[in-house]
Amino acid sequence: DTAVSQTPKYLVTQMGNDKSIKCEQNLGHDTMYWYKQDSKKFLKIMFSYNNKELIINETVPNRFSPKSPDKAHLNLHINSLELGDSAVYFCASAGVRPRTDTQYFGPGTRLTVL
Amino acid sequence: AQKVTQAQTEISVVEKEDVTLDCVYETRDTTYYLFWYKQPPSGELVFLIRRNSFDEQNEISGRYSWNFQKSTSSFNFTITASQVVDSAVYFCALSGPNQGGKLIFGQGTELSVKP
Repeated sequence: DTAVSQTPKYLVTQMGNDKSIKCEQNLGHDTMYWYKQDSKKFLKIMFSYNNKELIINETVPNRFSPKSPDKAHLNLHINSLELGDSAVYFCASAGVRPRTDTQYFGPGTRLTVL
Repeated sequence: AQKVTQAQTEISVVEKEDVTLDCVYETRDTTYYLFWYKQPPSGELVFLIRRNSFDEQNEISGRYSWNFQKSTSSFNFTITASQVVDSAVYFCALSGPNQGGKLIFGQGTELSVKP
C-alpha cells in the first residue's frame, strides 16, 4: 500500500485554467504539507495542515488554496494558472508532532502550464 | 534565519568509488533536526536519515554513513563503494520546533555514478 499518494502524477493545462491536485496518506499522520519544486530542483514549503487546521502558510499567491476535508487528505486547488506555476508539487505527511516528526513525501505531481 | 548549503551542485564518480556529499547548515535554534532525502531519476523523494541536534553520534547504514559535527555546522553524507543505483539528487534539510516543522532544503547535489 502506498503511504502518501498524489493524483494526478502529470497535469498539463492551459494558462488561465483552474486545477486541483489531490493528496492522501494512510500512515495515520496528523500533519500534511505541500511543497513546490521548481525547474532548478529547489524545494520550498507552501502550506501545512495539522488536524485540518492551517499551521503554515508561506508567501504563496492567493490563487493557491489548500483544503483539508479530513486529516488523511490535503488537496491543492490552483486558480487562474500561470506559466510560472509549472513545477513539481509534492505532498508530505508527518506524525502527531508537526514541529518535530519526520516528513514522508508522495511521488509528486508534475504540473505543466502552456 | 535558517539556511542549508550544499556547495556541490554536481558530482560524477565511477562505480566503486567512495563519495562524500557536503551539507552545511545555519540556525539560531538550540534544538533542530537534520535530514537527508534522495530523489532518484523517477522523481520521488525518499527519506534516508534524520539526526537530532542533541545526538552527534555518527550513523552507518550499509554503504551509507553520515557525519554530524555541530562544531562546524555540518552534516555530511558518504557513500562507500558507490553503485549506479546511487545516481540521484540528494537533498540535505533542516527543521526545528520554532519553524513550525517546515523543512528548509539545500539546493541539492546531483550524483552521477558511471559504470
